[in-house]
Amino acid sequence: GGIITQTPKFLIGQEGQKLTLKCQQNFNHDTMYWYRQDSGKGLRLIYYSITENDLQKGDLSEGYDASREKKSSFSLTVTSAQKNEMAVFLCASSILGVYAEQFFGPGTRLTVL
Amino acid sequence: GEKVEQHESTLSVREGDSAVINCTYTDTASSYFPWYKQEAGKSLHFVIDIRSNVDRKQSQRLIVLLDKKAKRFSLHITATQPEDSAIYFCAAGDDTNAYKVIFGKGTHLHVLP
Repeated sequence: GGIITQTPKFLIGQEGQKLTLKCQQNFNHDTMYWYRQDSGKGLRLIYYSITENDLQKGDLSEGYDASREKKSSFSLTVTSAQKNEMAVFLCASSILGVYAEQFFGPGTRLTVL
Repeated sequence: GEKVEQHESTLSVREGDSAVINCTYTDTASSYFPWYKQEAGKSLHFVIDIRSNVDRKQSQRLIVLLDKKAKRFSLHITATQPEDSAIYFCAAGDDTNAYKVIFGKGTHLHVLP
């Protein structure tokens, strides 16, 4: 077994601020993902990293940057927080393979004042 | 690109009855359809999947049906229990990218006593 840790659990920012969310996994998984979950809109893929030295944009990458520091960690940066933005950001990981099951972290809840 | 529609946003059933959650997809070439469950206050976890080489798959009280002609798949939960109450997300693999799945918006299942 393993675990995915996301920090912080809650993040409150100001409009225009640059905010960084962190994710660590100890599954020894190659592939990691960042999703945004908005109420009533499901999950949307922001960035993913197939292997340690890879970075790929998802469908919602505008306004975000990502960094895969090492195999076990994947960070997401909100480059300029939007006023009244509220969402949960979920990190996930999987083994390297076609259509592999994804394991999700507990999430970071973002509120922008 | 692939789109996944999850038809019921909320579903209420009596404990012991069956629940059915329906999803449709747009890409004829899609071949992988996982389901994830999100219990209150928790993150998502994988529950079952089906691939396009079969039209039915069962795991204990969960049955997934796939109708490729209609581009429709469904999750059947038999003999529902209170712990089945959760948000269920259907998803479809992106045929052009084996590392991406497209999620539906989720169905909130309430199992009533």
